[in-house]
Amino acid sequence: AQKITQTQPGMFVQEKEAVTLDCTYDTSDQSYGLFWYKQPSSGEMIFLIYQGSYDEQNATEGRYSLNFQKARKSANLVISASQLGDSAMYFCAMREGEDSSYKLIFGSGTRLLVRP
Amino acid sequence: DVKVTQSSRYLVKRTGEKVFLECVQDMDHENMFWYRQDPGLGLRLIYFSYDVKMKEKGDIPEGYSVSREKKERFSLILESASTNQTSMYLCASSLPGQGARQPQHFGDGTRLSIL
Repeated sequence: AQKITQTQPGMFVQEKEAVTLDCTYDTSDQSYGLFWYKQPSSGEMIFLIYQGSYDEQNATEGRYSLNFQKARKSANLVISASQLGDSAMYFCAMREGEDSSYKLIFGSGTRLLVRP
Repeated sequence: DVKVTQSSRYLVKRTGEKVFLECVQDMDHENMFWYRQDPGLGLRLIYFSYDVKMKEKGDIPEGYSVSREKKERFSLILESASTNQTSMYLCASSLPGQGARQPQHFGDGTRLSIL
């Protein structure tokens, strides 16, 4: 069974509008971490935001926020005030356990296109 | 800033060749990882290493091996390249024991084509 599911292969958003990228996960661990990465067409993976399973508040980093709903096992990325430079692939990933040497499990990604 | 450098952005090799992909990080990270990325499949872990001369199989190790002789360098080896190994390969590194918040830092990737 897939551990990370991103159901939106591609999305469009108008410049300056907000957009939500969906991510659901499956784990039996109580302790885990959720990450979002951005991959522009140039190929590098850029870390955006992290949410820990025990974090009481939703994570925020500038225009990025994470809508974490633990009971529903979802960790959606919200990008506010979209910019043309936000056009990229976005990957949700999960680490099970506490140690950072544990591997990341990635979803299949969502390609976001920001329209001017 | 963490810098993870992969030796080639683009590489073309022939079936049956032995292929080396090199990755170097400059932040003294203990952990290093090799992923391959294919459309619709996301990133899948091939091998990872916790320390020099240590290696662990990931989810798809078949047809690959790795070498970690020095802390800063992690090499991926395709023993006998096949066309189904045409893919984007990404190297990453991270610090251990910093808690689950520590992200992995990625290189720019190598687009490998096997003809």
